[in-house]
Amino acid sequence: DGGITQSPKYLFRKEGQNVTLSCEQNLNHDAMYWYRQDPGQGLRLIYYSQIVNDFQKGDIAEGYSVSREKKESFPLTVTSAQKNPTAFYLCASTTSGTGFEKLFFGSGTQLSVL
Amino acid sequence: QKEVEQNSGPLSVPEGAIASLNCTYSDRGSQSFFWYRQYSGKSPELIMFIYSNGDKEDGRFTAQLNKASQYVSLLIRDSQPSDSATYLCAVKVSGGSNYKLTFGKGTLLTVNP
Repeated sequence: DGGITQSPKYLFRKEGQNVTLSCEQNLNHDAMYWYRQDPGQGLRLIYYSQIVNDFQKGDIAEGYSVSREKKESFPLTVTSAQKNPTAFYLCASTTSGTGFEKLFFGSGTQLSVL
Repeated sequence: QKEVEQNSGPLSVPEGAIASLNCTYSDRGSQSFFWYRQYSGKSPELIMFIYSNGDKEDGRFTAQLNKASQYVSLLIRDSQPSDSATYLCAVKVSGGSNYKLTFGKGTLLTVNP
């Protein structure tokens, strides 16, 4: 079955540590997105990518980095510069040019600080 | 900053009643509007989208759009306990060539048996 796979489901970060969240899709989607969700809050856009080897900053990119070396993969690194990383992280993908009618989300990664 | 505003709730309705969820947006050039349902600890799932002024119905759900007043609403008829969730309004903002959705903070709906 086609879909988006995020891993791990739960992740713990020590202070000063960089951690990487995985996002893989087999939907042949061009566009991929990373959102952050804090309790009682909506989704805020961290980074997005429309095509391979290209990505743009979203509204809250500071302290995060991404890469898009393959169409299927869009990993997110939470760096030590992100001082408040505890949140629920959601990856999503859609086909470019068709809007968001077919925006699919992964199951999310809950990141916590030890 | 282009904003999307929702009443955070909680909105509590009895089973079988109509639940009405509202959303306002600041970007007058917005063209596409989406409603997502999110259960606690889960990812959002799309339940409705609307582009044109007026009503769009899908089963027990009706989305209503009024671009002049810059609001979009979601009505849930015959509410069921399984409808208890957070409902997120999302707007595709205008400007630029890249696609971005802006989300509201969500309204928590509780349907009481």
